[in-house]
Amino acid sequence: EADIYQTPRYLVIGTGKKITLECSQTMGHDKMYWYQQDPGMELHLIHYSYGVNSTEKGDLSSESTVSRIRTEHFPLTLESARPSHTSQYLCASSEIGYGYTFGSGTRLTVV
Amino acid sequence: DAKTTQPTSMDCAEGRAANLPCNHSTISGNEYVYWYRQIHSQGPQYIIHGLKNNETNEMASLIITEDRKSSTLILPHATLRDTAVYYCIVRVVQTGANNLFFGTGTRLTVIP
Repeated sequence: EADIYQTPRYLVIGTGKKITLECSQTMGHDKMYWYQQDPGMELHLIHYSYGVNSTEKGDLSSESTVSRIRTEHFPLTLESARPSHTSQYLCASSEIGYGYTFGSGTRLTVV
Repeated sequence: DAKTTQPTSMDCAEGRAANLPCNHSTISGNEYVYWYRQIHSQGPQYIIHGLKNNETNEMASLIITEDRKSSTLILPHATLRDTAVYYCIVRVVQTGANNLFFGTGTRLTVIP
């Protein structure tokens, strides 16, 4: 039973469109993260948050933006999608001393 | 966070124990060893973590050497559903950024 939810699971969208990938968790975790992963490749951190109104960029430069208005919600937005944004996006949350819980991911294809 | 080294791939017969090694020779005293796995196209799944004592849960056992420079994840009775990429990560729990560096992991294939 998933405690962290990502929608949509799959998305195919045209170049130039604005998209928002949703991520919600029901565990009350303060820390949340967005990772990007190309098929068969490593995960790269693109954004993270320590709590409400806290967001930081990760190790991998990304043209996406995030917001954290509520503890449980951490959406990721691409203002103008491009084919180079085609990838899998994984959301996760954690508490100190415990492992991360990941969502099932959103597989984005920009055509 | 300390760097880890894992074999690229391993095979294991169904029903047998799968022993996945990880070297972390530069681990520092306050870094924990975490194991995750990622089944094709899904998000990574937390398996187990430990500091210096061996740990066991319903999924696996974690054996950490006395000098803490290496560890082994043990799946006692591997099933076909255990086929996945397994990541060994060492990190300080209280790290400010608190992010995980996953590396390339070990691709475990359980063979019928």
